[in-house]
Amino acid sequence: EDKVVQSPLSLVVHEGDTVTLNCSYEVTNFRSLLWYKQEKKAPTFLFMLTSSGIEKKSGRLSSILDKKELFSILNITATQTGDSAVYLCAVEVNTGNQFYFGTGTSLTVIP
Amino acid sequence: EAEVAQSPRYKITEKSQAVAFWCDPISGHATLYWYRQILGQGPELLVQFQDESVVDDSQLPKDRFSAERLKGVDSTLKIQPAELGDSAMYLCASSPPRIINTEAFFGQGTRLTVV
Repeated sequence: EDKVVQSPLSLVVHEGDTVTLNCSYEVTNFRSLLWYKQEKKAPTFLFMLTSSGIEKKSGRLSSILDKKELFSILNITATQTGDSAVYLCAVEVNTGNQFYFGTGTSLTVIP
Repeated sequence: EAEVAQSPRYKITEKSQAVAFWCDPISGHATLYWYRQILGQGPELLVQFQDESVVDDSQLPKDRFSAERLKGVDSTLKIQPAELGDSAMYLCASSPPRIINTEAFFGQGTRLTVV
């Protein structure tokens, strides 16, 4: 059974801290891994990773994929209160082009 | 910018009543997904369409849920009768043909409360 596991489930940090969110997966026919940010509404796309070891970066957010160990991390540096959200990891499989989501990590950034 | 449209945004219904949600994907997106997201959990796939055909509905509770995409464009998800446990966010997403890797594009969702 295909599955995506995220950790930690929740995290509370102070503004300015750096956080690392984890996503591990076990799927057949891996195609890509995606990170989304969700703030009480629909998920918004952050990154898509398909190749091992290549970091994707956007401002204070970055992500990397390890296809050998089957995991990805999402880093957020110098956190701000606006980073408070649920961060979802999803894996797309080639079979049927389905996206499997983890349970998410709830991040709270306090001033 | 093209968006996935969903309606209604919010719905409150009494248990045992029927409820329906509508989704219009981004133009040209052949694949349409309906997800259910219970508070504190990740989205769970209910049904996936490729054009007008169902690709996967293995997690759809077929005794009360139905979904259709008759012309391969917009889609309707129906629940009849609604139960208290159906309270959740119902998300529609779409994606283009897989010539290249792409993400799923989400609508704003319908938040259903069953009372």
